[in-house]
Amino acid sequence: NAGVTQTPKFQVLKTGQSMTLQCAQDMNHNSMYWYRQDPGMGLRLIYYSASEGTTDKGEVPNGYNVSRLNKREFSLRLESAAPSQTSVYFCASGSMTGQSPLHFGNGTRLTVT
Amino acid sequence: AQSVTQLDSHVSVSEGTPVLLRCNYSSSYSPSLFWYVQHPNKGLQLLLKYTSAATLVKGINGFEAEFKKSETSFHLTKPSAHMSDAAEYFCVVSDGDSWGKLQFGAGTQVVVTP
Repeated sequence: NAGVTQTPKFQVLKTGQSMTLQCAQDMNHNSMYWYRQDPGMGLRLIYYSASEGTTDKGEVPNGYNVSRLNKREFSLRLESAAPSQTSVYFCASGSMTGQSPLHFGNGTRLTVT
Repeated sequence: AQSVTQLDSHVSVSEGTPVLLRCNYSSSYSPSLFWYVQHPNKGLQLLLKYTSAATLVKGINGFEAEFKKSETSFHLTKPSAHMSDAAEYFCVVSDGDSWGKLQFGAGTQVVVTP
């Protein structure tokens, strides 16, 4: 019963470094999402993938890239980290319709110095 | 376009007293509405959802919410707060088929005092 699994849990980067956040789900969901959470701003959508092989920009995509590796896995890459990308990142998965709830991972806390 | 406003950023209640978290929304279509809870250092967990069925929705852990279209509100309530209810709560709106386009409120931090 893993649900949505994110790695790593914590990461500290220097400005300009790159890294990839990994996400996997075992619920056979078609859709997967990456959000960032900043104090007082709720969650904001970075990218999403409606199905295997497709990805689309969300509200705040600049500075990020994504890969939908297969139905289970959806990764988020920071090519050149900036202090403004210090945040908590959540991966989520769900069915295709907006009426279905999302299932969230436990988050990755990223600090960029 | 859809949006959601949580009217209180912080709510403090005594254990055993009622909890009220207020949420107003705007949506161009018939919305789906959700409440999620986030405990410290955890992901978000679904409390309840409204998807055009009954307007009074019951969720987990004794929470319920009422959809009021005339007031564009979806307030979350619980009759008696428990210490374990201390967490952050998010109201979320979706325009039905616009998956991936969920709009989150800014969150309400709930503190429960003994």
